[in-house]
Amino acid sequence: GESVGLHLPTLSVQEGDNSIINCAYSNSASDYFIWYKQESGKGPQFIIDIRSNMDKRQGQRVTVLLNKTVKHLSLQIAATQPGDSAVYFCAERARTAGNKLTFGGGTRVLVKP
Amino acid sequence: NAGVTQTPKFRILKIGQSMTLQCTQDMNHNYMYWYRQDPGMGLKLIYYSVGAGITDKGEVPNGYNVSRSTTEDFPLRLELAAPSQTSVYFCASTLLGENEQYFGPGTRLTVT
Repeated sequence: GESVGLHLPTLSVQEGDNSIINCAYSNSASDYFIWYKQESGKGPQFIIDIRSNMDKRQGQRVTVLLNKTVKHLSLQIAATQPGDSAVYFCAERARTAGNKLTFGGGTRVLVKP
Repeated sequence: NAGVTQTPKFRILKIGQSMTLQCTQDMNHNYMYWYRQDPGMGLKLIYYSVGAGITDKGEVPNGYNVSRSTTEDFPLRLELAAPSQTSVYFCASTLLGENEQYFGPGTRLTVT
């Protein structure tokens, strides 16, 4: 079936540097792509989404880029902070009933002081 | 608002036992979901509901059942627990058309 996956399982980043988390997707029919953050022992938390007809969207310290030509999604975190240490998941929402999301496997981000 | 609450936080079951995982949300969300997350993996959708009285299967529904008698509650039932059901279970809710799903803190279940 359709799936969303990630290139890198673990990313180590120096505090203050920018982080880039990548994700490949396979379902061209998805209408939204979403990033979630999961801290240890907690449920995932929504970060930002992007509609399939856009190629860039910015939030607070985060930017999501969508390249539909190569089916690639990325999350950029500016000035990475210790509180950014978590597992990040990309997800896609297909044009089906129920707002259902398909999650990728996750990338762990470790921020070094 | 308490958001999405789940009980219990932890549970150990023996093979063949049954249990119900509770999920409640106080945000008047019409959509609710149950996911399982195996160690080091992403979330897989078990069941979802678009409103009271309406439920449907997700990606991995076998071995589970749900009901949605009220807007607030969406319990997940495990019948005849198996070791393959050892996982962390998350409940989530959202409104129609929204991408932000609100997740509960999870229930860590071990079946031995």
